[in-house]
Amino acid sequence: QKEVEQDPGPLSVPEGAIVSLNCTYSNSAFQYFMWYRQYSRKGPELLMYTYSSGNKEDGRFTAQVDKSSKYISLFIRDSQPSDSATYLCAMSAGPDKLIFGTGTRLQVFP
Amino acid sequence: GAGVSQSPSNKVTEKGKDVELRCDPISGHTALYWYRQSLGQGLEFLIYFQGNSAPDKSGLPSDRFSAERTGGSVSTLTIQRTQQEDSAVYLCASSLKNEEKLFFGSGTQLSVL
Repeated sequence: QKEVEQDPGPLSVPEGAIVSLNCTYSNSAFQYFMWYRQYSRKGPELLMYTYSSGNKEDGRFTAQVDKSSKYISLFIRDSQPSDSATYLCAMSAGPDKLIFGTGTRLQVFP
Repeated sequence: GAGVSQSPSNKVTEKGKDVELRCDPISGHTALYWYRQSLGQGLEFLIYFQGNSAPDKSGLPSDRFSAERTGGSVSTLTIQRTQQEDSAVYLCASSLKNEEKLFFGSGTQLSVL
């Protein structure tokens, strides 16, 4: 079993839809949770960062962490075609290596 | 530049040849990471540097892979006697000391024929 599980998709939604992306994990020591966005032929870029449980909102993006269920989510409101990318969850127990999910490919069509 | 710089952006090599991939981290970032991303796969951790030392080499897939970092800055990932299964995008990232947020370069696409 992988430490971090993420549905690879692809996920295809119309413009304006609410998108929900999720990851589950098995290591209860994880306490730093991140979402990265990766456009084609580019490196991942940090989108959201959360420490421990709770919610964090930044514009159209909301990150949720439920440590009791070992489950994290990223919500995108009013999705745009420019949101089309691969979204990777990542987590760590401390300031060392991040463990990444496989990424979910999102396509937002006009 | 302001970001993590990797070179070359693309590398095509023949099976059995050695390759060197370079990473220039963000100025002031003491931590440096190498990851590998294969088609349809997530990011696979290879090695982590804090300054010039590598406290975690656990992800290097075989003894054909090695990495070094000099002057607390530029890092080189070397793959000896390349195999076709080494074909992937090799990503470098850097961060401030004791920071979990990584900043990635655009990667080197390695193709082994």
